[in-house]
This record gives sequence, structure tokens and C-alpha cells, in this order.
Amino acid sequence: AQTVTQSQPEMSVQEAETVTLSCTYDTSENNYYLFWYKQPPSRQMILVIRQEAYKQQNATENRFSVNFQKAAKSFSLKISDSQLGDTAMYFCAFMKPTGTASKLTFGTGTRLQVTL
Amino acid sequence: KAGVTQTPRYLIKTRGQQVTLSCSPISGHRSVSWYQQTPGQGLQFLFEYFSETQRNKGNFPGRFSGRQFSNSRSEMNVSTLELGDSALYLCASSPLTQGGAGELFFGEGSRLTVL
Repeated sequence: AQTVTQSQPEMSVQEAETVTLSCTYDTSENNYYLFWYKQPPSRQMILVIRQEAYKQQNATENRFSVNFQKAAKSFSLKISDSQLGDTAMYFCAFMKPTGTASKLTFGTGTRLQVTL
Repeated sequence: KAGVTQTPRYLIKTRGQQVTLSCSPISGHRSVSWYQQTPGQGLQFLFEYFSETQRNKGNFPGRFSGRQFSNSRSEMNVSTLELGDSALYLCASSPLTQGGAGELFFGEGSRLTVL
């Protein structure tokens, strides 16, 4: 079974600064997908960024980028130029592709507060 | 395109009752999965349906069940409610590509309180 660990329950960053959220995972699979999801106080979860394990290049989406270290089973999220709207719970998640099935294993989340 | 719609948004039940939650996926999405979110256990996978068939099931007792209709809408049912069933129940739909691992689009959730 896969496990996902987020060791930072809460973090705070000032507006315009950069913050890195940590995530480690454990799996015996070689092919899999990793995700960062954001859940703002309104509760609807949205995808921030996605990484495919067979791709060595780190994924980037505007101000969001990841540092994917497959051998170390580490998948951290870097948010640059933080904005007040980035305040949310951030969940790291693992998915093993199994054809037409999709099941996410989530970490416990990191609550990020962006301050003025 | 409308997002994932969950109803009801909030509900209060008493122990021993049953509850049915509904989820309408994004048009064209055939995969619907359900998650339970609690402060203590975090986000846990309940089950996933694809074309009216249950593809995956999480580690929950048989009191938790679900189904999917031909229009991809899904319902989950919890019977004989317990206090510990109080949670936010999230539904997610996915377009699923051939290789799987399509992006999940979440609804706003149904907040269930069991008294």
C-alpha cells in the first residue's frame, strides 16, 4: 500500500515571498502520478500541479513548481511570489494508474497562510 | 461547463438513521469517486465508479455503499449512522484517459453531522 507524508502541518509566508511545502511518499511501484491539490477555505479542492513519475523534468505551472526526487521519494511544492489567494490547505497525493480506475492517496495536508 | 455538483450541501442526522448523498459529475466524465474528509483521518477514499461499475473500494464498512446511474450521476448511502460518520463527503469526477490518471475535479462536498 502507498503512503504519503506531509510533515509540515502549518506554514506561513509573507506576500511576494517563496515557500516550499514538503511531501514524501512510499511505494513499490515504478510508474505512478503525483499531485498537489489546493483546498481553499470554501472547501472545493482544485488541482495545482501534476507530475508523472516517468518524466524526469519537474512540472511547472506559472508560480507553482515541484522538485521531484524519485529515488528519494520526495515531491515538494514551491510557490513563488506568494499571493493572499494562495492561503489554503495543500494536499500531496499519489495515484497508481490502473487503466480506467482512479484512486488518490492523500497526505494529511499543510495549512498555508499568506500574510501581508 | 458546469462543475461537479453535490447535494445536499449540509445535513444533520441522528445515530441509526441512513443518509443518501448525490453527485452530478461534469458533463462527459464517466468516472466518479467519493472521499471522506475528517480532521482526525484526513482524506480517505471510499469508492470509485466507472460506467455504472464499482472499480475500486476503500477500507470502509459495508454500511457505506454507492451506485452510479447511466447518466454518470452517483449516489452514496450510509446506513445505521454512527457519530464517527460525521464528515465532509467529497465527490470527484474524472475524464479518464486511456492510460488512467486523469485529473480529478472535486465538488464542494456534503457536510454530514451525526448527532
